[in-house]
Amino acid sequence: GQQVMQIPQYQHVQEGEDFTTYCNSSTTLSNIQWYKQRPGGHPVFLIQLVKSGEVKKQKRLTFQFGEAKKNSSLHITATQTTDVGTYFCAGRRYNQGGKLIFGQGTELSVKP
Amino acid sequence: GAGVSQSPSNKVTEKGKDVELRCDPISGHTALYWYRQSLGQGLEFLIYFQGNSAPDKSGLPSDRFSAERTGGSVSTLTIQRTQQEDSAVYLCASSPADGVYEQYFGPGTRLTVT
Repeated sequence: GQQVMQIPQYQHVQEGEDFTTYCNSSTTLSNIQWYKQRPGGHPVFLIQLVKSGEVKKQKRLTFQFGEAKKNSSLHITATQTTDVGTYFCAGRRYNQGGKLIFGQGTELSVKP
Repeated sequence: GAGVSQSPSNKVTEKGKDVELRCDPISGHTALYWYRQSLGQGLEFLIYFQGNSAPDKSGLPSDRFSAERTGGSVSTLTIQRTQQEDSAVYLCASSPADGVYEQYFGPGTRLTVT
């Protein structure tokens, strides 16, 4: 069954509003990655988090990895129409090599 | 350089027929992954290859699904006796090695079983 849960499934925001998606794993992860998939496109890597409590920023995007390495979040400040797409977290468990378990994704729509 | 390529981009087949989907990973990438994405859903892991190691087949949904990787490069995903529930986009990804590397995705093959 699904081992990485992601919420919300959909988020509609007005341009300029903030957006957050949350990811929770049933087991401790060795690392977590985030991908963005534009409508009609394929997933594109955004970032990887490895350390407990790690926080990384990319311009308006802030990524966090929980202290227990079981949860993660992506926060976008002041959304723009170019942020539209589906954001996926993907966790890697210990002793499972390169296998990634993807969350169901959060589809973000931005109204101009 | 060239990214991950997949062929065909679209495939329509009749229920019960066999299909083969091809993936050409980025040159030099030793790890190759197959995923399935149904409409509006997340990515379902199917199988992955790492170098000469035995593939991790733990995500294959049934014995109708199989995959091989020849010469450590090109991979083929085969679905035998296709069913309507096999309709989805099949995505291939590669990465430089196993472990902590990001995955580079191909454009996918959209499979429709009628």
